[in-house]
Amino acid sequence: GQQLNQSPQSMFIQEGEDVSMNCTSSSIFNTWLWYKQDPGEGPVLLIALYKAGELTSNGRLTAQFGITRKDSFLNISASIPSDVGIYFCAGRGRFGAGTRLTVKP
Amino acid sequence: TAGITQAPTSQILAAGRSMTLRCTQDMRHNAMYWYRQDLGLGLRLIHYSNTAGTTGKGEVPDGYSVSRANTDDFPLTLASAVPSQTSVYFCASSPGPMNTEAFFGQGTRLTVV
Repeated sequence: GQQLNQSPQSMFIQEGEDVSMNCTSSSIFNTWLWYKQDPGEGPVLLIALYKAGELTSNGRLTAQFGITRKDSFLNISASIPSDVGIYFCAGRGRFGAGTRLTVKP
Repeated sequence: TAGITQAPTSQILAAGRSMTLRCTQDMRHNAMYWYRQDLGLGLRLIHYSNTAGTTGKGEVPDGYSVSRANTDDFPLTLASAVPSQTSVYFCASSPGPMNTEAFFGQGTRLTVV
């Protein structure tokens, strides 16, 4: 079946550093979605990508829809403590395993 | 605005017992989903419904059933719970089918002992 591979599994960074995470799929996607989950909450959408090659920003977040339509990345610039959480890529109703981000003040 | 409401918040269930996890949305979304979240595995799709009256199987449907009698409600039933069904269950809805933004409930933490 369809698989989403997300990496890295976890990241420990210093406040102010930039972060990058990515996702690859075994099949072509028409949409890539990036979510963030805070502890004890359900995931919340950060960025949606609808076109191959699309680069979209939302504040300090930037995400790109890969040209092959089988991959996407999410960058967070100048991280702050409230960026802590689990970040998921998603497509076709499926989710990656998540990237757990820890930001040290 | 309530959005997605799940009940109960948490539950301890004896193995072999049945249980229904409730999910209600007030956004008039067509599509609804049930996921389970386990450490290291992310969210895995159990069942989904693209519109009232229809349901479909996700990645891990075995041991679970759903119904979609109306737009707002999408209950998930465990007919005979087993310990491997211990997990956090999330209900979600979206205006359109799977490629659109999904809105999630707060989750139900289920422990099967």
